Amino acid sequence: GAVVSQHPSWVICKSGTSVKIECRSLDFQATTMFWYRQFPKQSLMLMATSNEGSKATYEQGVEKDKFLINHASLTLSTLTVTSAHPEDSSFYICSAPLAGGNTEAFFGQGTRLTVV
Amino acid sequence: AQSVTQPDIHITVSEGASLELRCNYSYGATPYLFWYVQSPGQGLQLLLKYFSGDTLVQGIKGFEAEFKRSQSSFNLRKPSVHWSDAAEYFCAVGATGGSYIPTFGRGTSLIVHP
Repeated sequence: GAVVSQHPSWVICKSGTSVKIECRSLDFQATTMFWYRQFPKQSLMLMATSNEGSKATYEQGVEKDKFLINHASLTLSTLTVTSAHPEDSSFYICSAPLAGGNTEAFFGQGTRLTVV
Repeated sequence: AQSVTQPDIHITVSEGASLELRCNYSYGATPYLFWYVQSPGQGLQLLLKYFSGDTLVQGIKGFEAEFKRSQSSFNLRKPSVHWSDAAEYFCAVGATGGSYIPTFGRGTSLIVHP
C-alpha cells in the first residue's frame, strides 16, 4: 500500500515556541491531506483538510492562526503549531487518500507533541 | 452527515478466544466502511475495508468484517485472538461521492488476557 511518513515522531517544546510537523506521501501524489488531533483514549478529530496549492479548510472550532497548514507540493503538507501552550499537547496524525476519487486514506505514524 | 458508533469502550478476551467488535454507522447511502488498528503511540493501520460487492470482507492478521445493511452494522471478528492483537480499534465511515473524509468512531480498546 501507499506510504505516508510523518516527522517528527515526537517533539517536546517550550511554551510560546512554534513547532512544525511534516507529512509526506512517499510513493504517491496527494492533492489532499487531512490533519487529525487525538487526545488520550479518544478518537481522531479532524482539524483541517490541506489542499495542494490553495488554502486549507478548517473544521469548526479550530483556530487557523494557531494551526498553520501549508501544502506547497503534491507530496508534502506541514502543520505548524504556533505559540504552543501545554493545552496543545496531543497526538497529531496526518492522512492522505490516493488522488482520483474516493478511496481509503493512508495514515502517518503520528507525532506526539508535548509542550512544557 | 455520517456518524459511527462503537458501543464498547473496552473489550477483554482471553488469548485464543474469539472476538467481535461492534460498529454501527449512520449514512444515507451505501457507505465506504473501514476498520483500523492503532498500537500505543502509533498511527493507524488499515485492517480491512468495504466499498461494494461481497458483504463479508477479509482483512489482514486474520480479521474479517461483515457489512449488514439492514442493521447498519460493520462488526469486526477474529476467530482466535493473539496477545499481539491488544490495541485500539477504530471503525470509520467514508462518504461515497465528493471529497473523501472519513469519520471515526470513538474506538474500542482490546485487552487480551494470557
